[in-house]
Amino acid sequence: EAGVAQSPRYKIIEKRQSVAFWCNPISGHATLYWYQQILGQGPKLLIQFQNNGVVDDSQLPKDRFSAERLKGVDSTLKIQPAKLEDSAVYLCASSLVGPPRQFFGPGTRLTVL
Amino acid sequence: QKEVEQDPGPLSVPEGAIVSLNCTYSNSAFQYFMWYRQYSRKGPELLMYTYSSGNKEDGRFTAQVDKSSKYISLFIRDSQPSDSATYLCAMSDFGNEKLTFGTGTRLTIIP
Repeated sequence: EAGVAQSPRYKIIEKRQSVAFWCNPISGHATLYWYQQILGQGPKLLIQFQNNGVVDDSQLPKDRFSAERLKGVDSTLKIQPAKLEDSAVYLCASSLVGPPRQFFGPGTRLTVL
Repeated sequence: QKEVEQDPGPLSVPEGAIVSLNCTYSNSAFQYFMWYRQYSRKGPELLMYTYSSGNKEDGRFTAQVDKSSKYISLFIRDSQPSDSATYLCAMSDFGNEKLTFGTGTRLTIIP
C-alpha cells in the first residue's frame, strides 16, 4: 500500500514570497490533515478535511494560509505572503473515518529567508 | 499549561538498555493514546495505539496508560541503535480525530 506522498520535499523562499505544497493521501482515506512542525516541537494541526469539506481550521492563519482539497483526494496548502516564522516542516497526514490513526507523509521542509 | 507535556530530552542510553519515555496530560477527556516515532528528516510513524487505560505490547515495545494519573509511558526493551529517533506522544478524545502532540523526546541508543 502506497503511503502519503508530499512534494516538494524542500523549499527555500524569501519572506513575502508565496509557496505551495501538495499532498496525495493514502487511497481510500477520507480525512486529510495539514500540520506545521517547528524545530523542537510536536506537530500542530493547521487544517483538517473530511472528503471535500473543512472540519477544523481553527489554527490556520487565514490571513496568509489557505488550503483546498479538490475532489476529496489531493490537497494543496499555500502560504502568501510568507514570514520568517513560517520556517518549519509541513506535514500531511491521512486517516480513515473513525479512530484517530493518522499516517504521515515525509513532510516539506520550508525555509524562509 | 500545555495540554500535553513531554520531556524533550535528549536521552542517551547504551544498547540493550530498557528505555522509558513518558507524557503527562491535563485533558481528562482524552481517550486515545498514541506513540509516534520520527526519524530525522522523516514524517512521524505510528508505533503504538491504545484506547483508554491499560497496557499494550508489541514486540520490544510496551505502551502503558494510567488515566487516573493522566500519565502515559512507552517502554523499549533491548534497545537497538535503530531505535534512535524522536518519540512523540499524541492523544485525542472520543469522537474527535484531532490529535494533540507532545513536543517529542529525542532518543539516542549508543552502540
